[in-house]
Amino acid sequence: GAGVSQSPSNKVTEKGKDVELRCDPISGHTALYWYRQSLGQGLEFLIYFQGNSAPDKSGLPSDRFSAERTGGSVSTLTIQRTQQEDSAVYLCASSLGAWGGGYTFGSGTRLTVV
Amino acid sequence: DAKTTQPTSMDCAEGRAANLPCNHSTISGNEYVYWYRQIHSQGPQYIIHGLKNNETNEMASLIITEDRKSSTLILPHATLRDTAVYYCIVRDTNSGGYQKVTFGTGTKLQVIP
Repeated sequence: GAGVSQSPSNKVTEKGKDVELRCDPISGHTALYWYRQSLGQGLEFLIYFQGNSAPDKSGLPSDRFSAERTGGSVSTLTIQRTQQEDSAVYLCASSLGAWGGGYTFGSGTRLTVV
Repeated sequence: DAKTTQPTSMDCAEGRAANLPCNHSTISGNEYVYWYRQIHSQGPQYIIHGLKNNETNEMASLIITEDRKSSTLILPHATLRDTAVYYCIVRDTNSGGYQKVTFGTGTKLQVIP
């Protein structure tokens, strides 16, 4: 596609429920990143995928968070047993291989846990 | 930890140049300086990047000091649509372009009519 697409754009969920956030990167971009942005805060790195390499999951805040990337394209970030502190905007970015001149970000998914 | 420091906020009159500073005193020789901006409710947008030479594109100019410990993003004629949070980051391309980059809180630029 022309840009990085994320869905849903907004998600309200009850505490304790599981949620799945989707990211569709730019076609041909082999690198994919997930970031989290809490209200008034900067972007916090969560996870990185590069081609067929094992993902770097070191930014995931707890074992309730997981992500996968199928076929080197679409990625899903899953949050199990959501907590109120998980409320944030979740941003996905992709770049062209290891050196893409920069990230292209999606518009994010605003997650609200009530 | 963010490897850059930026002022929390700045104001700029519409039509004037906006000069946004960034300190990156621990930058290494392999690290590029990148600038992004985030307009309210949107994902960050790439603006410009550079290694040691000054760079210019259709959006902005990037001035990097000779010792590379600081840089300035220049928006030559700020418009109201340039109101955004501007992030300065450093990124090591020798690690394959990948780095667990922390964007920090950036500079909130308010362009005033």
